[in-house]
Amino acid sequence: GESVGLHLPTLSVQEGDNSIINCAYSNSASDYFIWYKQESGKGPQFIIDIRSNMDKRQGQRVTVLLNKTVKHLSLQIAATQPGDSAVYFCAEARINKFYFGSGTKLNVKP
Amino acid sequence: SAVISQKPSRDICQRGTSLTIQCQVDSQVTMMFWYRQQPGQSLTLIATANQGSEATYESGFVIDKFPISRPNLTFSTLTVSNMSPEDSSIYLCSAHSPGSYNEQFFGPGTRLTVL
Repeated sequence: GESVGLHLPTLSVQEGDNSIINCAYSNSASDYFIWYKQESGKGPQFIIDIRSNMDKRQGQRVTVLLNKTVKHLSLQIAATQPGDSAVYFCAEARINKFYFGSGTKLNVKP
Repeated sequence: SAVISQKPSRDICQRGTSLTIQCQVDSQVTMMFWYRQQPGQSLTLIATANQGSEATYESGFVIDKFPISRPNLTFSTLTVSNMSPEDSSIYLCSAHSPGSYNEQFFGPGTRLTVL
């Protein structure tokens, strides 16, 4: 497979603060990029995606930034809430297949 | 959106045996996918299951070990054959949202433990 298997790094933030989760991707041929949220015991849940010809996209409380020069993707969560605590994965889409990158565990402190 | 269910939700199996995991989607979808996720790690794509054709496997995965069926547009199975403890993992089914290839929906996963 093409995913990266890593022990997950953890990001701890205070409730109400903004969170920034980063991801490095490997393949410049990817069509678009997606962020997923995975809560314990559940499958990943779609958050937001961005096409490879864009550099920024905003959703509700979330913003994704794409820097193709350095193959870097970030997810910004505004006013982080306890319900945002989960593992966040980035994924690359190529030919309708998704390849997941490294994940980050977000821990929101009340 | 699509709702995906999987059966069983978890199982404990003896080495050398096989387990078939079922995946049901509540709407017709063209492409379905099977992933493996080891504890604390990312998701690895095993194969793509298309109705009416053979599944296509990613590097490192073979049909003899992970045979897949896709009898119709709402259902697929993944078999983990001749299991060993290294196969202990969570197996996830997913499908593209109908009419959109930008979004994949995932099932809740099947947690497999091989003794």
